[in-house]
Amino acid sequence: GDSVTQTEGLVTLTEGLPVMLNCTYQSTYSPFLFWYVQHLNEAPKLLLKSFTDNKRPEHQGFHATLHKSSSSFHLQKSSAQLSDSALYYCALTSLNYGSSGNKLIFGIGTLLSVKP
Amino acid sequence: NSKVIQTPRYLVKGQGQKAKMRCIPEKGHPVVFWYQQNKNNEFKFLINFQNQEVLQQIDMTEKRFSAECPSNSPCSLEIQSSEAGDSALYLCASGGLSQNTLYFGAGTRLSVL
Repeated sequence: GDSVTQTEGLVTLTEGLPVMLNCTYQSTYSPFLFWYVQHLNEAPKLLLKSFTDNKRPEHQGFHATLHKSSSSFHLQKSSAQLSDSALYYCALTSLNYGSSGNKLIFGIGTLLSVKP
Repeated sequence: NSKVIQTPRYLVKGQGQKAKMRCIPEKGHPVVFWYQQNKNNEFKFLINFQNQEVLQQIDMTEKRFSAECPSNSPCSLEIQSSEAGDSALYLCASGGLSQNTLYFGAGTRLSVL
């Protein structure tokens, strides 16, 4: 079945350093990939989603590129800010609803902690 | 700010009690999902709807949980007989049919004592 893997449970960085959060996936059909961010006691919010035309989505300084050859959608930012501290979830849904249904399948999340 | 409204924000119940939470999806969104986010922050899919029809639900949902999305009324998720293991954040999300994107509410945090 479809699945999402986030290998890092916790990433601790110093402010100003680059961010990279890993996400790999398994999907039987063509997937849409997403990154959601959840700050403490808040709703998960959509940060990025993949495009079908290989454009690289960007938002709030974050970007991610869907690499079908390596089944990856890593999240990157050139310079971490204190306000980036949050839980980040990679998620997948399939274009063909017969595979994952039309469920959004989440990874286990990566806690990003940015320190001064 | 999220346009998906969930009430109540916090819910405290004793074991065996019913627990009911509500969700108003974003206007115009026909798809509604319920997820359970446990103490390890993992998301567990519970049930989803398209308009008023159930699309998918997991076994747990079939047995102790009931959910509905009536027309012109809030969607609801109810646990018939709460167990300690049900303590979690229950997230409602809505979306459009063609976008594959879900927008989440702030959740209802259930504590079963």
